[in-house]
Amino acid sequence: DVKVTQSSRYLVKRTGEKVFLECVQDMDHENMFWYRQDPGLGLRLIYFSYDVKMKEKGDIPEGYSVSREKKERFSLILESASTNQTSMYLCASSSSMIYGYTFGSGTRLTVV
Amino acid sequence: DQQVKQNSPSLSVQEGRISILNCDYTNSMFDYFLWYKKYPAEGPTFLISISSIKDKNEDGRFTVFLNKSAKHLSLHIVPSQPGDSAVYFCAANGGSQGNLIFGKGTKLSVKP
Repeated sequence: DVKVTQSSRYLVKRTGEKVFLECVQDMDHENMFWYRQDPGLGLRLIYFSYDVKMKEKGDIPEGYSVSREKKERFSLILESASTNQTSMYLCASSSSMIYGYTFGSGTRLTVV
Repeated sequence: DQQVKQNSPSLSVQEGRISILNCDYTNSMFDYFLWYKKYPAEGPTFLISISSIKDKNEDGRFTVFLNKSAKHLSLHIVPSQPGDSAVYFCAANGGSQGNLIFGKGTKLSVKP
């Protein structure tokens, strides 16, 4: 079974802190994605990557950056956390842009 | 501007009855559609998909219908069970790289 592991289930950070959310997949997938889920807004794509060191902006990249130095790892970085970045963050990986997205369990981030 | 729309934020159904979840899309170029299911504190999991060359796909209790002329798809769950209570996301391959874009989700509650 494909496994996507997000390093933290719950995280509390202060406004202005630099925050790293880590995601690791174990099935050699080329594509990895970061989404955030908010009530009434559904799943919104922040960034995705289709290869090592490659990244593409999604629908809401402002305030975020990403890093993919190794194929199995995709990091989401909040450069200076703000309260409006309080959300559930979901990482996914896939061998295709369409099929077989496997999601991690999510990281509930609270910025105070 | 939403390209994949789920206009019902919630749906409540009695156990044993049919649940019908609806999804509309705006772009006739979309040719692959998926449904994902999400329980609280877990990542979404793939449920069922349909290609635009078909108008129906069935998997056990779950059936997805596609009406291309109306740009509409629906997920039928028969019979509904309390364990089906979750948020259901509709998705289509409408992203800039053919990646999935998701609707806002519909929260299904199946009452015993």
